[in-house]
Amino acid sequence: EAQVTQNPRYLITVTGKKLTVTCSQNMNHEYMSWYRQDPGLGLRQIYYSMNVEVTDKGDVPEGYKVSRKEKRNFPLILESPSPNQTSLYFCASSLYQGAVEQYFGPGTRLTVT
Amino acid sequence: RKEVEQDPGPFNVPEGATVAFNCTYSNSASQSFFWYRQDCRKEPKLLMSVYSSGNEDGRFTAQLNRASQYISLLIRDSKLSDSATYLCVVISLGVGYGGSQGNLIFGKGTKLSVKP
Repeated sequence: EAQVTQNPRYLITVTGKKLTVTCSQNMNHEYMSWYRQDPGLGLRQIYYSMNVEVTDKGDVPEGYKVSRKEKRNFPLILESPSPNQTSLYFCASSLYQGAVEQYFGPGTRLTVT
Repeated sequence: RKEVEQDPGPFNVPEGATVAFNCTYSNSASQSFFWYRQDCRKEPKLLMSVYSSGNEDGRFTAQLNRASQYISLLIRDSKLSDSATYLCVVISLGVGYGGSQGNLIFGKGTKLSVKP
């Protein structure tokens, strides 16, 4: 089944404790991205990657890191999480940047206390 | 100025009603337009693309007016299962349009609630 998976789905952590949210797609997509969704602010792009070893900042990259060492994986790293990073995070992939359809993962709900 | 703006909603309508959502975008260089649907606490999913000539998929009709930089989504004969948030999405090619060229820009969404 073609899909984007994210782990964990739910996470409660404390300020400053490094965490990684994994994202994996099995569709051989070149383009992957991370979004956060907050009430009243909609979906905002954090980082994106057009291919292996190619990553770039989206609209709200501060406090986040990513890597793209393999085509299928695009982990999101929070080196020192803060409460303002409490949010719902979605990973997405598509055949290429600007493709008609982006496939989203199920989301990761992160709470930083 | 917001890049993609939608009706704030929520829209509360009875089953069988016709409902229309509007969306405006600020960058005239925008190239592609979509409507996504997002159920509560779930991931967004593509509902339909929007073409200049307008397009229809069953009870759903999407329209694009490039001159007015305006997109619409019409839902006829609403069903309970149509209850969701509808996201207007634009892909733009141009400098300084948030993120980078070719990335999706999402509106904040309009919530629809269809009641029996």
